[in-house]
Amino acid sequence: KAGVTQTPRYLIKTRGQQVTLSCSPISGHRSVSWYQQTPGQGLQFLFEYFSETQRNKGNFPGRFSGRQFSNSRSEMNVSTLELGDSALYLCASSIGTEHFMIYNEQFFGPGTRLTVL
Amino acid sequence: AQSVTQLGSHVSVSEGALVLLRCNYSSSVPPYLFWYVQYPNQGLQLLLKYTSAATLVKGINGFEAEFKKSETSFHLTKPSAHMSDAAEYFCAVSGSNTGNQFYFGTGTSLTVIP
Repeated sequence: KAGVTQTPRYLIKTRGQQVTLSCSPISGHRSVSWYQQTPGQGLQFLFEYFSETQRNKGNFPGRFSGRQFSNSRSEMNVSTLELGDSALYLCASSIGTEHFMIYNEQFFGPGTRLTVL
Repeated sequence: AQSVTQLGSHVSVSEGALVLLRCNYSSSVPPYLFWYVQYPNQGLQLLLKYTSAATLVKGINGFEAEFKKSETSFHLTKPSAHMSDAAEYFCAVSGSNTGNQFYFGTGTSLTVIP
């Protein structure tokens, strides 16, 4: 089975621009979670999508948004980029269940390295 | 609420020596606990996980961890370090009420000295 893929792997933007990152989960996985990794804050949860619905959200401003398509692929969007948004953005997929409280093993992609100048 | 504390942001060991990476957690519900490894410019790879079965968990590459509820700890060990173990290691916790939302520690960078 192919693993989680993220595109692009590297991205350079300037302040004020917006960016869209893409994540393709493992085939058959319906849950996609996004994390931001920075040297100062470490790994922080952004949001999780399951069956095209956001069902959990971390503590990030509204400039960070996402969506999931019917084929489970997910995109996240960051508008009005700030220097502090420079980070490695990781996507994780899992089988997912309708019952939110059940944990499923997560598989992480290689990440997208976003640099904001 | 869940949180993780990793003691020691940098750990150095000699090749062949014991590896011990410390992780303490806080959780208001029975936790699921994980150790991940990250190599430069790569994503996270699961080393092992505790999900309320055996308290001593064996993972890949010779790593293991023991869940100690009384100490709220989940330390990662490996009897003999190899050069290829040099990487960043993250401990994470998820609760039975948080689904796939993981709370990660700040990471421990392991250096292996030849």
